[in-house]
Amino acid sequence: EAQVTQNPRYLITVTGKKLTVTCSQNMNHEYMSWYRQDPGLGLRQIYYSMNVEVTDKGDVPEGYKVSRKEKRNFPLILESPSPNQTSLYFCASTGGGNEKLFFGSGTQLSVL
Amino acid sequence: GENVEQHPSTLSVQEGDSAVIKCTYSDSASNYFPWYKQELGKGPQLIIDIRSNVGEKKDQRIAVTLNKTAKHFSLHITETQPEDSAVYFCAAFQGAQKLVFGQGTRLTINP
Repeated sequence: EAQVTQNPRYLITVTGKKLTVTCSQNMNHEYMSWYRQDPGLGLRQIYYSMNVEVTDKGDVPEGYKVSRKEKRNFPLILESPSPNQTSLYFCASTGGGNEKLFFGSGTQLSVL
Repeated sequence: GENVEQHPSTLSVQEGDSAVIKCTYSDSASNYFPWYKQELGKGPQLIIDIRSNVGEKKDQRIAVTLNKTAKHFSLHITETQPEDSAVYFCAAFQGAQKLVFGQGTRLTINP
């Protein structure tokens, strides 16, 4: 089944404790992206990757890092999480010249 | 860059009635306008999209209209059903696969 898989689904952590949210897709998509969803603000892009070893900042990249060492994986790294990074995070992918985004099921992060 | 405004933020309609969600965009170069539906506990899913060379597109009970001059596009859902209850997002495509999303509309269908 074609899908984007994020882990974990829920995560509670404390300020300053490094964490990684994993994202993997099985559709051989070139493009992958991370979004955060906050009430009243919609989906805002954090980082995106056009292909392996090619990443770029989205609209709200501060406090986040990403890497794209393999085509299928695009982890989101919070080196020193802060409470304002409490949010619902989505990974998405697309490929083949298609604009249609396939989203994961989301990761609800709470930073205390 | 692109800015997408979506209204209303919440919408409640009786089952069987129609629902309309409206979006405006700022960048006249945007050429692709998808709508995503997000059900509780799930990621957004594409339900319909329209390109800038088309004024209207319909798929069963849902339709999207685009007014390029006014930079408006709208989602129309007719004969609403309980399963239409969800959060809906509009978006505008800026190129390089960059989608800018609206703020979302929480649609509730009342039985």
